[in-house]
Amino acid sequence: GQSLEQPSEVTAVEGAIVQINCTYQTSGFYGLSWYQQHDGGAPTFLSYNALDGLEETGRFSSFLSRSDSYGYLLLQELQMKDSASYFCAVPNDYKLSFGAGTTVTVRA
Amino acid sequence: NAGVMQNPRHLVRRRGQEARLRCSPMKGHSHVYWYRQLPEEGLKFMVYLQKENIIDESGMPKERFSAEFPKEGPSILRIQQVVRGDSAAYFCASSPIRDTSNQPQHFGDGTRLSIL
Repeated sequence: GQSLEQPSEVTAVEGAIVQINCTYQTSGFYGLSWYQQHDGGAPTFLSYNALDGLEETGRFSSFLSRSDSYGYLLLQELQMKDSASYFCAVPNDYKLSFGAGTTVTVRA
Repeated sequence: NAGVMQNPRHLVRRRGQEARLRCSPMKGHSHVYWYRQLPEEGLKFMVYLQKENIIDESGMPKERFSAEFPKEGPSILRIQQVVRGDSAAYFCASSPIRDTSNQPQHFGDGTRLSIL
């Protein structure tokens, strides 16, 4: 089976940096994905790490360490619109297994 | 290019009624996935379908739940004799290929099912 652990919520001010950690236990591992969900709407894909290291996409970066079964999503220069839930997910062929999500609240 | 379309957005049913949730995948996508999300939880895989075929329904309850993706028309998730525990958001996703390890699944806005 798959098990993913992430913090339930994080609060930060505009302009700050937030790191959302995700640890996983899986029966097979291909990589780690991150999705964003605003107000319970459609989850949208943010990033995918198949190899160890940091992937940067604009203000968001994602990191993976396969040996530690650990990854994180880094949100920089936080904006109000970044207030959302963020999910780490492990894809296994066609099936996505999600963590419970981290609610990020950005304060002015 | 329209995204994944789900309807209705909100559905209210009384216990014992049937619920039908519809999903039209993105144009060119022949792989459809249904997920269920309870409040404060992540999405849980229910079923994976291709046109006219159920590939994997391991996440779907054995009773009362069924899914189809006919040759023509949207994919349908059907819940018979609904109970309060069926209240949740149901999301549909689609992809152009089976292996979505490094290709994102595209999600619809979901159907919020409430059981009175």
